[in-house]
Amino acid sequence: KNQVEQSPQSLIILEGKNCTLQCNYTVSPFSNLRWYKQDTGRGPVSLTIMTFSENTKSNGRYTATLDADTKQSSLHITASQLSDSASYICVVSGYSSASKIIFGSGTRLSIRP
Amino acid sequence: EAGVAQSPRYKIIEKRQSVAFWCNPISGHATLYWYQQILGQGPKLLIQFQNNGVVDDSQLPKDRFSAERLKGVDSTLKIQPAKLEDSAVYLCASSRTSGDSYEQYFGPGTRLTVT
Repeated sequence: KNQVEQSPQSLIILEGKNCTLQCNYTVSPFSNLRWYKQDTGRGPVSLTIMTFSENTKSNGRYTATLDADTKQSSLHITASQLSDSASYICVVSGYSSASKIIFGSGTRLSIRP
Repeated sequence: EAGVAQSPRYKIIEKRQSVAFWCNPISGHATLYWYQQILGQGPKLLIQFQNNGVVDDSQLPKDRFSAERLKGVDSTLKIQPAKLEDSAVYLCASSRTSGDSYEQYFGPGTRLTVT
């Protein structure tokens, strides 16, 4: 079964600290993996997209990694800011009709001053 | 460029009533998606349009949900009759075309509460 599992479910850290969010997937055949940021009351906004051959991609203080062999991805946030408080959703796309776009349940990140 | 527009932003109805949501995608985007996002979960695809044709509606509860995109631009999603479990945020997204390499741009969503 094609699935995307994210951990932790929620996370609270102090402003200025770093954190890492995890995404494990079983989608096959794999096409790409995206990380989205969803602020409360808003639609998701894309942070990064990675294909099979890419191991890491950065977008400012956000760095995503991908290990296609172990089917794991992580999103690392450096020097967190209050505005980073949001849900972070991992989305995996596959090539088959049964695995087109699979969304994870997200990690709820709260940054405390 | 202007983003994906959705209306209304909030809607409260009683069970068994009907409701409709509207979405206007980014100009020139051929593909339009409707998602249902229940609190604490990731979005679930309900239906995908390519221009005015349906590409994927496998997860749309067709006994009560319907969607159309008659002129290949804006779209409406209808629920008739609503159930309590339909309480969720309904997100509309668009992309230049279908294909997983094209980025989806999401609207702000419509928060539906069924009482």
